[in-house]
Amino acid sequence: QKEVEQNSGPLSVPEGAIASLNCTYSDRVSQSFFWYRQYSGKSPELIMSIYSNGDKEDGRFTAQLNKASQYVSLLIRDSQPSDSATYLCAVILVSGAGSYQLTFGKGTKLSVIP
Amino acid sequence: EAGVVQSPRYKIIEKKQPVAFWCNPISGHNTLYWYRQNLGQGPELLIRYENEEAVDDSQLPKDRFSAERLKGVDSTLKIQPAELGDSAVYLCASSAGLNTEAFFGQGTRLTVV
Repeated sequence: QKEVEQNSGPLSVPEGAIASLNCTYSDRVSQSFFWYRQYSGKSPELIMSIYSNGDKEDGRFTAQLNKASQYVSLLIRDSQPSDSATYLCAVILVSGAGSYQLTFGKGTKLSVIP
Repeated sequence: EAGVVQSPRYKIIEKKQPVAFWCNPISGHNTLYWYRQNLGQGPELLIRYENEEAVDDSQLPKDRFSAERLKGVDSTLKIQPAELGDSAVYLCASSAGLNTEAFFGQGTRLTVV
């Protein structure tokens, strides 16, 4: 039972458009949320972290968190072909036994078309 | 500052043979993770260490997998004996604390033939 859900894609957007990536999670008490970018054949690279409800902006990237809806998203403005990669959502989930797990979704593959 | 270092980068072994992976985390990072990633999937947690203590190993196949983190710094993940289904990328990550950002090493791509 996967507890962090993402659409696997592929998501195709034209160059210069906004790419919107979505993620839902099952644990109501999660406090830490991350987005990673993974190029083919490479390891995941952290691009954003968010801990509070609302928006967090970093350059062309904006992370949005809504804990009530258990939803976190990543917006990429002015998408570039170099943004083409798989984007992984990660959440620190808390189990009933008090175990904390940094859990990843399957990832959404983004293709930016020139 | 050096990132997370893993070795080897690639490993090809025959089934039933043993294999070991090594990870050196970012200096000062107390939390260390081992993940396994299959093609087209997200990383799956195998084990998490807080310093030298394995605090979450519920998803580690203990019949053939073992891990250690002596002195709370470097870590080794071992598979013995390896099976065909163990072919995957094994990723090590570290973070300064439980709820903080985790950074990955380059990974070890294991192929079992």
